[in-house]
Amino acid sequence: SAVISQKPSRDICQRGTSLTIQCQVDSQVTMMFWYRQQPGQSLTLIATANQGSEATYESGFVIDKFPISRPNLTFSTLTVSNMSPEDSSIYLCSVGTGNNEYEQYFGPGTRLTVT
Amino acid sequence: ILNVEQSPQSLHVQEGDSTNFTCSFPSSNFYALHWYRWETAKSPEALFVMTLNGDEKKKGRISATLNTKEGYSYLYIKGSQPEDSATYLCAPQRGKLSFGAGTTVTVRA
Repeated sequence: SAVISQKPSRDICQRGTSLTIQCQVDSQVTMMFWYRQQPGQSLTLIATANQGSEATYESGFVIDKFPISRPNLTFSTLTVSNMSPEDSSIYLCSVGTGNNEYEQYFGPGTRLTVT
Repeated sequence: ILNVEQSPQSLHVQEGDSTNFTCSFPSSNFYALHWYRWETAKSPEALFVMTLNGDEKKKGRISATLNTKEGYSYLYIKGSQPEDSATYLCAPQRGKLSFGAGTTVTVRA
């Protein structure tokens, strides 16, 4: 398994500002993902964070709005840019260790409220 | 991304009672089915991964079954306890995970 921490755990931000969320894993992992859950909605994949190259974004998500960094195999950041109230969500980091192709572990999430 | 439906959206259970709920998904090109338990302010916890039609998995009082031909999975909680209160998410996997909206279980003491 993998132990994942996220910072911050929650934040309240003003519209038009940006917030960077950090994800730290206790071991090297092959796959890192970013999800969000808007109120009343399903967990939705934003992008796959690739080490050493640009992230792979899902339909409906773009790099200008959600820039992602992954400088090494244990760390990634997601920035929510130019925030609006619609960005109020729980943002989760997730990893696949590569030991088992089905296993995917989640961080505790960052609860973001945009006012 | 697959269309996943979970029902009911929420349910209330008396302590000691058993309950079950459903996850429905497209049956074509199936790869694996994941169940997670998500308690408030905690990380989603992996419960089961099932890949074969007819699979049954059990973890303590919680068990799950899988029917890949008709595209559904059931999760059962036997003798519900307050600590079972959580949102239960299913996620079929075809490459990436596609999550349902979850079933929120509240166990009343």
